[in-house]
Amino acid sequence: EPEVTQTPSHQVTQMGQEVILRCVPISNHLYFYWYRQILGQKVEFLVSFYNNEISEKSEIFDDQFSVERPDGSNFTLKIRSTKLEDSAMYFCASSELAGHNEQFFGPGTRLTVL
Amino acid sequence: AQSVTQPDIHITVSEGASLELRCNYSYGATPYLFWYVQSPGQGLQLLLKYFSGDTLVQGIKGFEAEFKRSQSSFNLRKPSVHWSDAAEYFCAVMDSSYKLIFGSGTRLLVRP
Repeated sequence: EPEVTQTPSHQVTQMGQEVILRCVPISNHLYFYWYRQILGQKVEFLVSFYNNEISEKSEIFDDQFSVERPDGSNFTLKIRSTKLEDSAMYFCASSELAGHNEQFFGPGTRLTVL
Repeated sequence: AQSVTQPDIHITVSEGASLELRCNYSYGATPYLFWYVQSPGQGLQLLLKYFSGDTLVQGIKGFEAEFKRSQSSFNLRKPSVHWSDAAEYFCAVMDSSYKLIFGSGTRLLVRP
């Protein structure tokens, strides 16, 4: 069964460093999302992406964040200068169609900023 | 603003007992509702969804949920819990821009 994959599973970085989190969505899916979950808190929406453009972004998704689909398979989230409060589990999701459809989630990347 | 409330942070049930996990939502329009499950080290797996029609929806792993508009609720149920059901359960509503708004989750513990 096709699934969303994410690498790495755990990333440890120093404050101020850049990190890139990678996702491979399901191959025929066209809509991509990033969510994050700070330990003990809710899963929160960060950004949605379609047709090589950001469709929507949350208040969390400031200038330190960027997303890219560098080739036909990968979808990346970059944090330019990490802060302690960026420590969280980051989930990638994809869906085949727009609208009210199921989003398929990856296993997440746990980011720890020291 | 849209929101989802899961009032129970933890629930413990005995294996074989029935289960109900509560979810209340706040959303002005027709809600599109989801239940996801997260096992340790795993991603979020969809259990079931409600878009329209029959208010009792069946999902995977023997779960069902009932949409009650008058109570703004979408509670998840299972008649007989198995030890493998121990996980964290998230209720979510999809808003008009198709992003998911999650509740804070309920952690289910299963006693042998």
